[in-house]
Amino acid sequence: DVVMTQSPLSLPVTLGQPASISCRSSQSLAYTDGNTYLNWFQQRPGQSPRRLIYKVSYRDSGVPDRFSGSGSGTDFTLKISRVEAEDVGVYYCMQGTHWPRAFGQGTKLEIK
Amino acid sequence: QVQLVESGGGVVQPGMSLRLSCAASGFTFRTYAMHWVRQAPGKGLEWVALISYDGGIEEYGDSVKGRFTIFRDNSKNMLYLQMNGLRAEDTAVYYCARDWLADSWGQGTLVTVSS
Repeated sequence: DVVMTQSPLSLPVTLGQPASISCRSSQSLAYTDGNTYLNWFQQRPGQSPRRLIYKVSYRDSGVPDRFSGSGSGTDFTLKISRVEAEDVGVYYCMQGTHWPRAFGQGTKLEIK
Repeated sequence: QVQLVESGGGVVQPGMSLRLSCAASGFTFRTYAMHWVRQAPGKGLEWVALISYDGGIEEYGDSVKGRFTIFRDNSKNMLYLQMNGLRAEDTAVYYCARDWLADSWGQGTLVTVSS
């Protein structure tokens, strides 16, 4: 099974400063159709998860452009250009290439 | 607007069964694959199962394979998760999510397995 490893697991950030979360997979997430199925989700306290990014770098509708995704193969990154108070929560990567699907452990973003 | 509403959670004893439901509205349900994802108290997300738009494909996580069954009724816009042989470690909030890439999620339903 594919294992997804996120780092850091805890991310204290000052308001207005950038933040970066790494996600690494134990196998390449490149699929035979040419796509790479790596998604990012945000879970705010007390809420359901919300998808932010799909297929590595495509931002979902309504997601602020301060969020961006990048990467390929086994190494992926979610970046927030300037952290705002509403960004507090836990961020998860998820691979959608191999069975069974798998999430990373989650990265808890808090305001310093 | 897309709406997914889970129900059927509750407290059950180990070894018992429970069926969860997910009512879908606001989109053409029969054209979308659907997931179940769970989250144990204070823990991260764990992928449970997926069913294709027509039920022809079912996939399961290792921890539930052989005990849980995902199925759907496209005439009723309903997704289900039949959970048999429940264990304490199945205690979690269970979410349904739409599409192969999980673009929309419900609010979840809590399952507690305890004697």
